Amino acid sequence: SAVISQKPSRDICQRGTSLTIQCQVDSQVTMMFWYRQQPGQSLTLIATANQGSEATYESGFVIDKFPISRPNLTFSTLTVSNMSPEDSSIYLCSVAAGSNQPQHFGDGTRLSIL
Amino acid sequence: GEDVEQSLFLSVREGDSSVINCTYTDSSSTYLYWYKQEPGAGLQLLTYIFSNMDMKQDQRLTVLLNKKDKHLSLRIADTQTGDSAIYFCAEVTSGTYKYIFGTGTRLKVLA
Repeated sequence: SAVISQKPSRDICQRGTSLTIQCQVDSQVTMMFWYRQQPGQSLTLIATANQGSEATYESGFVIDKFPISRPNLTFSTLTVSNMSPEDSSIYLCSVAAGSNQPQHFGDGTRLSIL
Repeated sequence: GEDVEQSLFLSVREGDSSVINCTYTDSSSTYLYWYKQEPGAGLQLLTYIFSNMDMKQDQRLTVLLNKKDKHLSLRIADTQTGDSAIYFCAEVTSGTYKYIFGTGTRLKVLA
């Protein structure tokens, strides 16, 4: 399966600031996704990162708060904007070779906001 | 709505079998997955089953699917301390690529 690198692995940020998380895959993939995992909770899909076009956001998530880029088939970024303590979570990138293929996950970014 | 339910905790002794259960609500699910999350890590794909199958075995792992009851289980034979982790089931419904994750089961293996 693809090797997925996520950076940074963790960070502690001040409220009101923004952080950009990177997801790099070692092979071209059709689909890339961003998830949030709040402390002790399951995973919630934030958006599907579309190559060359705007991401598709799930209910409750908006582009102004979570802008996403996907310039090519191996790379995507998620920005968490104007952070507040409620944004403290693990953010995970996943990839799939196709819509009927299993998703594989990066190790996640552990974000704490003070 | 779509809810995928799991028991929160399971504790077993090393060498015993573990059975982790998952109940889903969408009868049109096509694929069902099992993932493992160790502390400080992302999700590792363990195995998956297509909805037209009843059972799938992969080394120590056995997946059982009861479509009538919308019940999925993961059996881990000869459970080891390295199996201690959180296990998530996930379903994908027909016509979508989106995963609906279960609530997660924390497995603790006692030496």
